[in-house]
Amino acid sequence: DAKTTQPPSMDCAEGRAANLPCNHSTISGNEYVYWYRQIHSQGPQYIIHGLKNNETNEMASLIITEDRKSSTLILPHATLRDTAVYYCIVRVDSGGSNYKLTFGKGTLLTVNP
Amino acid sequence: NAGVTQTPKFRILKIGQSMTLQCTQDMNHNYMYWYRQDPGMGLKLIYYSVGAGITDKGEVPNGYNVSRSTTEDFPLRLELAAPSQTSVYFCASRQQGAAQYFGPGTRLLVL
Repeated sequence: DAKTTQPPSMDCAEGRAANLPCNHSTISGNEYVYWYRQIHSQGPQYIIHGLKNNETNEMASLIITEDRKSSTLILPHATLRDTAVYYCIVRVDSGGSNYKLTFGKGTLLTVNP
Repeated sequence: NAGVTQTPKFRILKIGQSMTLQCTQDMNHNYMYWYRQDPGMGLKLIYYSVGAGITDKGEVPNGYNVSRSTTEDFPLRLELAAPSQTSVYFCASRQQGAAQYFGPGTRLLVL
């Protein structure tokens, strides 16, 4: 799996957009970018994933650069409940394969009132 | 759907005791996983299963055993508890080609 690099921590004001960056310069053509988050003491929660196109769901948007070497997770209107550790994970998703998720240290996002 | 449920939420064991951590999912997912998370660290895969009757080792299987007799259940067994097994244990499941969904975790303290 390609290695990812994330800042250890970020702050964001409540109601503002939170933009969390992730570098994955060694990503391969068939590797997806996944984002999960872990709120204190809870199980990791899936947020969104993408291959090359930008993606949006009810939780967030994922912007992947054209060369796919980096991506940004956007929480459009951050709330206090979005305070969590956010993990960017790059992984092959070939349908029939079983796979594990390699969680690094992630980014601790703190949303301030 | 209840999703992925785990029991117990918290347990204290003495060294050498044994216990089973329960995991159940009601989403008819084929793939199930057990992870452990030590304080301030990422998740490490213990065991996984691709379907009923099929299990395989992950990164850190020593001291643990699993079984998968049904699609829904994937219990994790600790035979001789050691202080090094103090951790938070997460169970997860997924359908083929989809993201993993995690349970709330079991906190285990071995004294």
